[in-house]
Amino acid sequence: EVQLVESGGALVQPGGSLRLSCAASGFTFSDHTVHWVRQAPGKGLEYVSSINGNGDVTSYAISVKGRFTVSRDNSKNTLYLQLGSLSAEDTAVYYCTRDAWYVRFDFWGQGTLVTVSS
Amino acid sequence: QSALTQPASVSGSPGQSITISCTGTRSDVGGYNYVSWFQHHPGKAPKLMIFDVNKRPSGVSDRFSGSKSGNTASLTISGLQTEDAASYYCCSYAGGIAVVFGGGTKLTVL
Repeated sequence: EVQLVESGGALVQPGGSLRLSCAASGFTFSDHTVHWVRQAPGKGLEYVSSINGNGDVTSYAISVKGRFTVSRDNSKNTLYLQLGSLSAEDTAVYYCTRDAWYVRFDFWGQGTLVTVSS
Repeated sequence: QSALTQPASVSGSPGQSITISCTGTRSDVGGYNYVSWFQHHPGKAPKLMIFDVNKRPSGVSDRFSGSKSGNTASLTISGLQTEDAASYYCCSYAGGIAVVFGGGTKLTVL
């Protein structure tokens, strides 16, 4: 059974940093591009970042570029998102999702909540 | 990397059909036949409803269908049911490994 489990969400002060993790199981993790998508309170889903199966190609939304870093450890079947220079606008539930083939996001985690507040 | 344009809300009565549009550009929706649609209920993980413009994953009702014309993709739900009430998001491939989402449409089943 395919599973994606996010963790690492927390309350963090403005300007702070945080690392999110997404543990994958039930499939060959290194075969898939994976993405981070977030939903701020009362807002829609927003693309955050992507990383290909090898980990050598990444992509970021303009809103997070230069502040967030996506990475993966295929030996641990885990996806990471390092969040930095956080502001209130980054408050959101962060989801990881598996890309089966060109935006065919067939499995999603349940999300982890990041709250940026003093 | 602008978000795809969706109507903020649509509504319909049980049994009726509704269509949600998703407008992008030649760099995303218009350039590739890789558009997906997701259903999202609050507090739950999004669910894939349509991929590759008009294909349904196993287990998704055939009341859900997708199409595309030029830079605009559409999701049609026929025979509306109360459990269809949710937010719906389109998503398009945008080259490389980048993707772009629509702003979301809240469906109300009256």
